[in-house]
Amino acid sequence: QKEVEQNSGPLSVPEGAIASLNCTYSDRGSQSFFWYRQYSGKSPELIMSIYSNGDKEDGRFTAQLNKASQYVSLLIRDSQPSDSATYLCAADGGATNKLIFGTGTLLAVQP
Amino acid sequence: DVKVTQSSRYLVKRTGEKVFLECVQDMDHENMFWYRQDPGLGLRLIYFSYDVKMKEKGDIPEGYSVSREKKERFSLILESASTNQTSMYLCASSLLTGSGNTIYFGEGSWLTVV
Repeated sequence: QKEVEQNSGPLSVPEGAIASLNCTYSDRGSQSFFWYRQYSGKSPELIMSIYSNGDKEDGRFTAQLNKASQYVSLLIRDSQPSDSATYLCAADGGATNKLIFGTGTLLAVQP
Repeated sequence: DVKVTQSSRYLVKRTGEKVFLECVQDMDHENMFWYRQDPGLGLRLIYFSYDVKMKEKGDIPEGYSVSREKKERFSLILESASTNQTSMYLCASSLLTGSGNTIYFGEGSWLTVV
């Protein structure tokens, strides 16, 4: 069974701090990885994708991928209360067209 | 921007009713998906389709069927709704490229079965 695992949280950080969200995946065949943000009662929205080892930055967000360790992370710099949401990590299912989702980490940014 | 539209946002149905959830995407994506999301269980794939008239079972297909007669439209059918199908249903579409398979979600359909 291919899996993506995340700590459910809640992860509480003060406003202005760096929030670090982590994810591990089981399928070494996975090549592409995604972070989605989901506000309560809303649908997931794509934040970032990453395909290569290393870091990828987009504004306040940095995605990090380490395929050897099967580890993906998302850093949010200068966290704002509006960043409070559940963050879903997803990995492609190798040869399939499916994405495998983690159960999400709840982030709470305290003003 | 990718647009995935779920026409029914909030539904209340009675046990045993047949329920149709419709989804339309406007980006000519090949792949379409139906998920349900429940607290503590995350996103669970019900069915997906990678082409017109093609479908494959996901992780929890029991009690559901799907229809894809046109590329842009993917319907989820609950043949006889039951209370344990009360959930948020999410439709999604994606295009598989050399960079991966990025999935875009609709706004969700909240179904309550009483």
